[in-house]
Amino acid sequence: QSALTQPRSVSGSPGQSVTISCTGTSSDVGGYNYVSWYQQHPGKAPTLMIYDVSQRPSGVPDRFSGSKSGNTASLTISGLQAEDEADYHCCSHAGRNTYRVFGGGTKLTVL
Amino acid sequence: EVQLVESGGGLIQPGGSLRLSCAASGFIVSSCRMGWIRQAPGKGLDWVSIIYSDDTTSYADSVKGRFTISRDNSRNTLYLQMNSLRDDDTAVYYCVRERSGQIDEEWGRGTLVIASS
Repeated sequence: QSALTQPRSVSGSPGQSVTISCTGTSSDVGGYNYVSWYQQHPGKAPTLMIYDVSQRPSGVPDRFSGSKSGNTASLTISGLQAEDEADYHCCSHAGRNTYRVFGGGTKLTVL
Repeated sequence: EVQLVESGGGLIQPGGSLRLSCAASGFIVSSCRMGWIRQAPGKGLDWVSIIYSDDTTSYADSVKGRFTISRDNSRNTLYLQMNSLRDDDTAVYYCVRERSGQIDEEWGRGTLVIASS
């Protein structure tokens, strides 16, 4: 069982927006502004899409945005495209001893 | 160009040992927080271990006492010594340079470990 809770799957049509939630506790998501999101296509390594709750690495489209409220973080993908179909993993810092905790991953299907 | 290349994975019987290596280029391993993250087949990501630039280390409870993270500064390489392997250690193991200040996060492509009889 993963430390962070994500929906197992979400879906949307091209051009629509989808939001993926990630719920933790005050010891991880709620306690630090160090939430990150990863996109993973089958057979590939994860790719960082969002870090520090809402920051985008260079090269990540601004269709991807992140936010946080209390113990829940969210990833929103607007203007869905076929290539966005992938698994998305959330991650939070959880202190020096348990450096990272992850969610179980959410499969995004573009209809 | 920053690059991380893992090696050392393979098929190992439960109870056995394996050492994973992560050869780094384009930066100095000893100056960074470095770690290992794994992913069991069809599952989510799972944090394993980290080594800080001051050489302190931390481990997930599931591997504490069995796995040891270390680095060889002369080879600019990160290691993960895995002992007493169990079936549930089967996973792709990724080497990660953790983001810290101006240092960006970076992942390797992973190496597959299968612990099975």
